[in-house]
Amino acid sequence: IAGITQAPTSQILAAGRRMTLRCTQDMRHNAMYWYRQDLGLGLRLIHYSNTAGTTGKGEVPDGYSVSRANTDDFPLTLASAVPSQTSVYFCASSDSQGTQYFGPGTRLLVL
Amino acid sequence: AQSVSQHNHHVILSEAASLELGCNYSYGGTVNLFWYVQYPGQHLQLLLKYFSGDPLVKGIKGFEAEFIKSKFSFNLRKPSVQWSDTAEYFCAVIVFSGNTPLVFGKGTRLSVIA
Repeated sequence: IAGITQAPTSQILAAGRRMTLRCTQDMRHNAMYWYRQDLGLGLRLIHYSNTAGTTGKGEVPDGYSVSRANTDDFPLTLASAVPSQTSVYFCASSDSQGTQYFGPGTRLLVL
Repeated sequence: AQSVSQHNHHVILSEAASLELGCNYSYGGTVNLFWYVQYPGQHLQLLLKYFSGDPLVKGIKGFEAEFIKSKFSFNLRKPSVQWSDTAEYFCAVIVFSGNTPLVFGKGTRLSVIA
């Protein structure tokens, strides 16, 4: 069982380019999340989805969009990347009691 | 809005010292509480969790946490730290008032020196 996988592991991106970070889980969890982690700021929630077909905005949603076409996949898209989106991005899913399980992360550098 | 406060940003301890990391949350209703650990260069992993019952919860690697409802606290403890405990520790709370995501504290970085 892989748990949560994320791709790519790391990426260098030119500003203005579009980028989709992929996240897939095999635990059949309804809820999934995207966070960004920046030094001194901890984890900040970008978007979340409580179940397939629904999404919600987190603390820092601007510049990001998500979709949840099915239970397993929750991609995060940066429509036009900016340097302030340089960060480490973590995808997570949670079970019915709220315990979250995290993916290995994607390190993104926007130049 | 609910919030989670971790009082220490960076804690430096010598090996074998005792550890206590503070965590307070701001919601008065039913909550589930968690501590996660992030080792350097890795993702967050669950250390322990409290849902109900005995307020003293034991987790992996000798860690424990005590839920004190009257103080809205869930402090993490370990009697004797090791160099391998060097990591960042995150407290998190989920509030059961509808579908709400986990709320994380900003983390405490622990450095254990030999």
